[in-house]
Amino acid sequence: QKEVEQNSGPLSVPEGAIASLNCTYSDRGSQSFFWYRQYSGKSPELIMFIYSNGDKEDGRFTAQLNKASQYVSLLIRDSQPSDSATYLCAVTEDMRFGAGTRLTVKP
Amino acid sequence: EAQVTQNPRYLITVTGKKLTVTCSQNMNHEYMSWYRQDPGLGLRQIYYSMNVEVTDKGDVPEGYKVSRKEKRNFPLILESPSPNQTSLYFCASSLIGGQSNSPLHFGNGTRLTVT
Repeated sequence: QKEVEQNSGPLSVPEGAIASLNCTYSDRGSQSFFWYRQYSGKSPELIMFIYSNGDKEDGRFTAQLNKASQYVSLLIRDSQPSDSATYLCAVTEDMRFGAGTRLTVKP
Repeated sequence: EAQVTQNPRYLITVTGKKLTVTCSQNMNHEYMSWYRQDPGLGLRQIYYSMNVEVTDKGDVPEGYKVSRKEKRNFPLILESPSPNQTSLYFCASSLIGGQSNSPLHFGNGTRLTVT
């Protein structure tokens, strides 16, 4: 069974801090990944995707992929209360999602 | 406006009463999928469709049916709902399935309660 695992949290960080969200996957053949954000009661929305080893930056968000270790992470710099949400990691090839990590940013 | 539309948003029904949740997208996407979301379990795929007339089981297909007669529509059918199908359901579509440059677009969700 292919698996995508995330720490369910909740992860709590103070406003302005860096939030680090991690995801591991079991299928070594997985090549690319999405990060989605889901506010309570809403549908998931795409933050970014990554398919190359290393870092990919988009504004305050940085995705990191390490295929050898089979993990992908999302860093949120200068965290804001509006970043409080559940963050979902997904493997692109079979659109398989992790259970999500709930992030709370405290003012 | 490009969107995935699913209806109804909320549905309360009784065990055994057949129901259909509709899903329609206006983006000419080839790939469509249904997920259910339960606390602590995340999004689990029920069925997916790579294109018209092609459907495949996801991880939790038991108790569900789908059809893809037209590109834009992908209804989810519960022939005999049971309380363990109480969940939040999402329909999603993407231009092409399984590619990094083709993210999923989600509908607003359907909260189903089966008593």
